[in-house]
Amino acid sequence: GQSLEQPSEVTAVEGAIVQINCTYQTSGFYGLSWYQQHDGGAPTFLSYNGLDGLEETGRFSSFLSRSDSYGYLLLQELQMKDSASYFCAMRDDKIIFGKGTRLHILP
Amino acid sequence: GAVVSQHPSRVICKSGTSVKIECRSLDFQATTMFWYRQFPKKSLMLMATSNEGSKATYEQGVEKDKFLINHASLTLSTLTVTSAHPEDSSFYICSASRASGSYEQYFGPGTRLTVT
Repeated sequence: GQSLEQPSEVTAVEGAIVQINCTYQTSGFYGLSWYQQHDGGAPTFLSYNGLDGLEETGRFSSFLSRSDSYGYLLLQELQMKDSASYFCAMRDDKIIFGKGTRLHILP
Repeated sequence: GAVVSQHPSRVICKSGTSVKIECRSLDFQATTMFWYRQFPKKSLMLMATSNEGSKATYEQGVEKDKFLINHASLTLSTLTVTSAHPEDSSFYICSASRASGSYEQYFGPGTRLTVT
């Protein structure tokens, strides 16, 4: 079957760095995406990894290891506005979302 | 960027009535649109995939006669919740992709449905 596992909650301090891990299981795999969702809002696309390695977009980076069926989202220089839920999602013939990680940021 | 709109943003209806939710891609043609349902503090559950001009593909456990999906054009998909019941109350979100197989989806702002 298909599944994604990510921590339900993570807490970090403003200005720090936080890593949100995601492991997946699927028979067919094309890539791993990350989405951010604030309470009451719609998900917004953050990044995509189709190949192994690190993708950097400003303060956010995402990493993928196909051999380990593992990826992570790295958020640097955390700001209070980064408090949100973060979903990893994998694509085979459709996009399947993980259950989301709620990021709490302490001042 | 790519903009997807949804209408209405909120709707309250009585049990037994039907509700239609529209999803539009405003500045691009969406070959594929997706409909999700999300419960509070939970993940997005894919309900169905709709391709313009063809029947929607429903996920296992989703009643196609209850959740009618129509994708009449490259910019519009509609979800109709028929004979709504309180358990249908949820946040419904659509998304669209520019091309089949695209990894990036653009989400609408969602529709909060409350069935009384």
